[in-house]
Amino acid sequence: NAGVMQNPRHLVRRRGQEARLRCSPMKGHSHVYWYRQLPEEGLKFMVYLQKENIIDESGMPKERFSAEFPKEGPSILRIQQVVRGDSAAYFCASSPGHSSYNEQFFGPGTRLTVL
Amino acid sequence: GDSVTQMEGPVTLSEEAFLTINCTYTATGYPSLFWYVQYPGEGLQLLLKATKADDKGSNKGFEATYRKETTSFHLEKGSVQVSDSAVYFCALSAPGIGGGSNYKLTFGKGTLLTVNP
Repeated sequence: NAGVMQNPRHLVRRRGQEARLRCSPMKGHSHVYWYRQLPEEGLKFMVYLQKENIIDESGMPKERFSAEFPKEGPSILRIQQVVRGDSAAYFCASSPGHSSYNEQFFGPGTRLTVL
Repeated sequence: GDSVTQMEGPVTLSEEAFLTINCTYTATGYPSLFWYVQYPGEGLQLLLKATKADDKGSNKGFEATYRKETTSFHLEKGSVQVSDSAVYFCALSAPGIGGGSNYKLTFGKGTLLTVNP
């Protein structure tokens, strides 16, 4: 059973370009979470999605950032018009469901560098 | 809001030494507590967890006890190995207002552990 897959592992963009980060959850998992880790910081929650639904996007910046988890295919975190402050590691996690506690399984992360 | 404070690193130990990484938390509601480990180039893996006061989580020789009175969840291991070299994250999930939002993990900044032979 493959784990959570993220690609690309490393992404370099120039200011103003778009960044698309992909996350394929573990087989059988229908819940996806995105976290961001800025340099010297812990991981911070961004968004929680189920298939075709955004459940909680309270951690997402109000502008330029969007996320989706379509019926088919991976979850996508999209950052438009990137700025240097977007440079960070972006981690995706998945779980089989939501209950009082559900272990989240993490992918290896995408390291975004904005030049 | 919820927060986790863990021991600043890096921590460097010799093989077979005793390890403690301190972790304290602030949370609304009654949190569940976790330790995650991240090996170089890999994603975070759940190391151990505790969901109520006085619970002890354990795995691979690591232990941590949920102390509600001191709001702490310190990670310990009696004898570390070179293969334990990694970054360790303390984390919590707590119900938000109305009881929801307990899927949000709040992490500490991580502690880099290096174990030398």
